[in-house]
Amino acid sequence: NAGVTQTPKFQVLKTGQSMTLQCAQDMNHEYMSWYRQDPGMGLRLIHYSVGAGITDQGEVPNGYNVSRSTTEDFPLRLLSAAPSQTSVYFCASSYDSSSYNSPLHFGNGTRLTVT
Amino acid sequence: QKEVEQDPGPLSVPEGAIVSLNCTYSNSAFQYFMWYRQYSRKGPELLMYTYSSGNKEDGRFTAQVDKSSKYISLFIRDSQPSDSATYLCAMTLNTNAGKSTFGDGTTLTVKP
Repeated sequence: NAGVTQTPKFQVLKTGQSMTLQCAQDMNHEYMSWYRQDPGMGLRLIHYSVGAGITDQGEVPNGYNVSRSTTEDFPLRLLSAAPSQTSVYFCASSYDSSSYNSPLHFGNGTRLTVT
Repeated sequence: QKEVEQDPGPLSVPEGAIVSLNCTYSNSAFQYFMWYRQYSRKGPELLMYTYSSGNKEDGRFTAQVDKSSKYISLFIRDSQPSDSATYLCAMTLNTNAGKSTFGDGTTLTVKP
């Protein structure tokens, strides 16, 4: 069982470039989300989805787009990368967004540097 | 001011020591409290979750919640080198664990 798979592991972008961070889970989880982790700022929620076709904004959504066309996949798009988006990005999923008994399963992150 | 403040560390202890990791929070509406462990270059993994004030024990780990003081702790007994990691506290207003507010994390090193 692969769990939550994120690709790529590392990426360097130039300011203004666009890219998509991929996230896939094979656990049939309803809920998927994207976080960014920065030193001194913890994990901050970017966007989340409670099921295919449904997405919503988290705490820091600006500069990022998401879509959820299938249960398994939840890609994160950076339309025009900025140095402020240099961070480690984590995708997470859980079986049932309405229950705290359903813990978040995290991927191993994508380390993004924008120069 | 952040809603969740976590002792910044880093913390370095000898093997076998008792470790105390702590978070305070300002929002009294938080109801569910979690501790995640994050190894270097990996994603966080859930260690423990609690709902009410009091203690919850799981092996060498004890999670403690004091809602009146808005203070939560994670104790690790007989610490091992394999416990070396960053520990993140998290809390949520309702049952949606996916919308948790995280602390910044405390990095622990257990020396053999």
